[in-house]
Amino acid sequence: IQMTQSPSSVSASVGDRVTISCRASQGITGWLGWYQQKPGKAPKLLIYAVSSLQSGVPSRFSGSGSGTEFTLTISSLQPEDFATYYCQQAHSFPRSFGQGTKLEIK
Amino acid sequence: EVQLLESGGGLVQPGGSLILSCAASGFTFSSYAMSWVRQAPGQGLEWVSSISVSGSGGSTNYADSVKGRFTISRDNSKNTLYLQMHSLRAEDTAVYYCAKDLVGGGYDRHFDYWGQGTLVTVSS
Repeated sequence: IQMTQSPSSVSASVGDRVTISCRASQGITGWLGWYQQKPGKAPKLLIYAVSSLQSGVPSRFSGSGSGTEFTLTISSLQPEDFATYYCQQAHSFPRSFGQGTKLEIK
Repeated sequence: EVQLLESGGGLVQPGGSLILSCAASGFTFSSYAMSWVRQAPGQGLEWVSSISVSGSGGSTNYADSVKGRFTISRDNSKNTLYLQMHSLRAEDTAVYYCAKDLVGGGYDRHFDYWGQGTLVTVSS
């Protein structure tokens, strides 16, 4: 399953609302996750099973979608949110990640 | 506290072999599926391989890019995950992360804990 994220990069300001999209090449039944990665660090799980917030992750992060279209929303950007974000499908093997969306400071 | 500590990375010539290890602590290792995910320099994340819990047969799965060359295994008595890599190519150059599944039992789904990564460089 190919995972395609859009946009590949986005510039935004602190306090902005940001949406990142992820499209699967075929329907995936609920096993969609989102990760945040900062330079030189391991990825961090933010959202699992489309919309479940991982423990310890701020509530400004939310996930939604179904079928082949999924979205990660950050409701009010904070300085620590500037990073690269990846979606990941766990519907079938081989597992696959999107190519990433780099969120930069405007 | 969950900890995953990878080791075994380094410089290897094309066609060579390497074994990566991931020492796990802070959770019941045998109850969780485990995976390897890699990241080439400046690139995105690529899922490499996973192994289910022994109760599910310890079944293994691989990315097409490594199938037949890499072998994942686990030693539950040592709380350690392994990745044997053979016939290495330049395109296998990456930081290799081991990752723990979020939910115990069965197959890997999403990864809630990651190691710090170990760098594998394939070059002559």
